[in-house]
Amino acid sequence: QVQVVESGGGVVQPGRSLRLSCAVSGFILSDYRMFWVRQAPGKGLEWVAVTSSDGTQEYYADSLKGRFAVSRDNSKNTIYLHMNSVRPEDTALYYCVNGDRDYWGQGTLVTVSS
Amino acid sequence: DIQMTQSPSSLSASVGDRVTITCRASQGIRDDLTWYQQKPGRAPKRLISPASTLQSGVPSRFSGSGSGTDFTLTISSLQPEDFATYYCLQYNTHPFTFGQGTKLEIK
Repeated sequence: QVQVVESGGGVVQPGRSLRLSCAVSGFILSDYRMFWVRQAPGKGLEWVAVTSSDGTQEYYADSLKGRFAVSRDNSKNTIYLHMNSVRPEDTALYYCVNGDRDYWGQGTLVTVSS
Repeated sequence: DIQMTQSPSSLSASVGDRVTITCRASQGIRDDLTWYQQKPGRAPKRLISPASTLQSGVPSRFSGSGSGTDFTLTISSLQPEDFATYYCLQYNTHPFTFGQGTKLEIK
């Protein structure tokens, strides 16, 4: 069966870096573009980034202003979100999503706080 | 960026009511729009994509319409399990963008 499992969240100080991982199974990762979507506590959904199926194209929300980068390793069935210079407003539950098939993980919580 | 303006932000209704939620895009997006339902503590679930195509397994009381800049999600007869938050997402142009959400509450 399909599994999408995010990890790597936690408490991080402002200005530091963090890498989120998303391990998938039950479908061929290299066939699909994959998204990251986040949701601040009590707030709405925010689209963060997308990586193309082969990893050659990426797009980001303008609000991230180049601080985040998405990558993937199809051989490991894993995608990553590299978060740099994190800010308190990056505090959110981060979801990894196969948007084409509507497969979502349970999310990993990132809290940016000193 | 394409801005998605969703309304209302909240809505109180009763079981059996017909409700409509709208999304307006700041520029034309053809029918490249998805409607999601999210319940507390759960990941969103896709209901309709593109704008008027009901996803497999979604009850027929849900319907979507629209093209270009104006879109609607209609629930023809609310059921208790429909009380949730609904979001639209445009996927016509990167970066993709969500509407602000509509919280549907029991009256």
